[in-house]
Amino acid sequence: EPEVTQTPSHQVTQMGQEVILRCVPISNHLYFYWYRQILGQKVEFLVSFYNNEISEKSEIFDDRFSVERPDGSNFTLKIRSTKLEDSAMYFCASSSGTGIEAFFGQGTRLTVV
Amino acid sequence: GENVEQHPSTLSVQEGDSAVIKCTYSDSASNYFPWYKQELGKGPQLIIDIRSNVGEKKDQRIAVTLNKTAKHFSLHITETQPEDSAVYFCAAPPRGNEKLTFGTGTRLTIIP
Repeated sequence: EPEVTQTPSHQVTQMGQEVILRCVPISNHLYFYWYRQILGQKVEFLVSFYNNEISEKSEIFDDRFSVERPDGSNFTLKIRSTKLEDSAMYFCASSSGTGIEAFFGQGTRLTVV
Repeated sequence: GENVEQHPSTLSVQEGDSAVIKCTYSDSASNYFPWYKQELGKGPQLIIDIRSNVGEKKDQRIAVTLNKTAKHFSLHITETQPEDSAVYFCAAPPRGNEKLTFGTGTRLTIIP
């Protein structure tokens, strides 16, 4: 069964540093997303990406955040100048259309120290 | 934007009994309602979804009901088993929108 894969599974970084979280969405999907989940809380939308551009972003996705699809398979989330409050589980997801099942990866646990 | 509320936040059920989790949503234009199961250390996994043109959908021990007038939908798990223990999230996207707005989650514990 096709799946969304994320690397690394756990990333520890010092406050102020830059991190890149990587995702390989399901190959024939067209819509890509990043969500985050602070420990014990609900899953929150960060950004959606379609047709090589951001289609929507939340207020969490400030100018320190960026996404990129550098080639036909990878989808990355970059966070610059990381803050302690960026510590969370980050999930990548993809879907073949709107109003259709979104498949989630296993997540990357980001710890900012 | 869409606001999704979910109840209860925790639920303990004796093995073999039924569990019901309820969600309400605010955007009357929403037409797709998925339920996700999240096991410890894993990403959310879709277990069932329903569209606004039907009132109920069933898949083995899991069913979802939708009341569009009242803007609420519920997850029903019958004959619960220990492996049903997890956190369950409802979600709703605003109509025509790609993103999912998740509920706050229900931690379901099945007592053997």
